[in-house]
Amino acid sequence: DAKTTQPPSMDCAEGRAANLPCNHSTISGNEYVYWYRQIHSQGPQYIIHGLKNNETNEMASLIITEDRKSSTLILPHATLRDTAVYYCIVRVVGNAGNMLTFGGGTRLMVKP
Amino acid sequence: EAGVAQSPRYKIIEKRQSVAFWCNPISGHATLYWYQQILGQGPKLLIQFQNNGVVDDSQLPKDRFSAERLKGVDSTLKIQPAKLEDSAVYLCASSLVLGDYGYTFGSGTRLTVV
Repeated sequence: DAKTTQPPSMDCAEGRAANLPCNHSTISGNEYVYWYRQIHSQGPQYIIHGLKNNETNEMASLIITEDRKSSTLILPHATLRDTAVYYCIVRVVGNAGNMLTFGGGTRLMVKP
Repeated sequence: EAGVAQSPRYKIIEKRQSVAFWCNPISGHATLYWYQQILGQGPKLLIQFQNNGVVDDSQLPKDRFSAERLKGVDSTLKIQPAKLEDSAVYLCASSLVLGDYGYTFGSGTRLTVV
């Protein structure tokens, strides 16, 4: 799997949008971009994934650049409960040999 | 649906003792994973099962760690003997099929070796 680069930490004001960047400059054409988050004392939680197009679900939006070398996870209205470590992962789907490989992630602190 | 269940939630043992962790995946999920998460780091995959067969155990320290998944449902991870550096959270996850889009993780077992 391709490596990803994320800032180690970010702050965001409650109610504002949180924009978490991820660089994956060596991503292959068949690799998806995944985002997971891990709230303190819990296991990681799936948020969203995408291949080329921007994606949106009830939790977040994923914006992938046209060259696919970077992406941004957007939490539109951050709450205190969104304080967590956010992991950006690239991975081939449908291949038994490609498991989720986590890096260090970004520690997001949402402040009142 | 019920989530991935893990027990115990916490465990403290002395070095050189043995310990076992239990995981019950989501019903119907064929694939099961064990991860180790050392404080301040992302989770690291130890072993992956498809039903009751091992798909990948290349990161499992086999001199002291063992895992099994009898009948393709519950799984146990054992450490014998434990070392101080084994102190970590052990996470179990499951997915419906191999290479599935999303994994569901349990809350983990926090192991402290003293």
